[in-house]
Amino acid sequence: GAGVSQSPSNKVTEKGKDVELRCDPISGHTALYWYRQSLGQGLEFLIYFQGNSAPDKSGLPSDRFSAERTGGSVSTLTIQRTQQEDSAVYLCASSYSWGEQGEQYFGPGTRLTVT
Amino acid sequence: AQKITQTQPGMFVQEKEAVTLDCTYDTSDQSYGLFWYKQPSSGEMIFLIYQGSYDEQNATEGRYSLNFQKARKSANLVISASQLGDSAMYFCAIESGGSNYKLTFGKGTLLTVNP
Repeated sequence: GAGVSQSPSNKVTEKGKDVELRCDPISGHTALYWYRQSLGQGLEFLIYFQGNSAPDKSGLPSDRFSAERTGGSVSTLTIQRTQQEDSAVYLCASSYSWGEQGEQYFGPGTRLTVT
Repeated sequence: AQKITQTQPGMFVQEKEAVTLDCTYDTSDQSYGLFWYKQPSSGEMIFLIYQGSYDEQNATEGRYSLNFQKARKSANLVISASQLGDSAMYFCAIESGGSNYKLTFGKGTLLTVNP
């Protein structure tokens, strides 16, 4: 079946502009996650959605970052007034909440470059 | 808070030999899960293996096995019979207990398999 998809695959934007990154999780997965991977680093948790519950936003680095998940499926991560330090690969993952091990399936990522 | 330490920035192994990638963790939770992911140069994160904190047996998945030593808080990944396609970044991650499946990742180990 279809995996997690993300769009765009690459985004170049000017400092100060807003960007929106999209994630389509695997059908039937109720949990959705956003991570950020800076060059040469591991993944950094940003935000977690589980069904209709309030999201866990504890990883968002600043109030310029926000995310929403509509209809329990597609999610959009928005970065306002982008800064050069926002340049990274943004990865989305989804999982079954009741899975035997909570295995997260990752999308291919969006590479964001802020010039 | 959880923490993952991967002390090997890079590892080399000859094709067909076995290799161990180190991972130590720190958590105050009694219930937790440990994951290994592979990230090839293409960028996607591929789930390899999972170990639950209460699992008495070491997890195995094909050529991958997880050497889980709970008292030492280590969860090393063993890859047997290395293949050229195993060349990639490998990340160890821990999932906090309870209903939150947030993963905390280590900085990764770059494995290179030589022919």
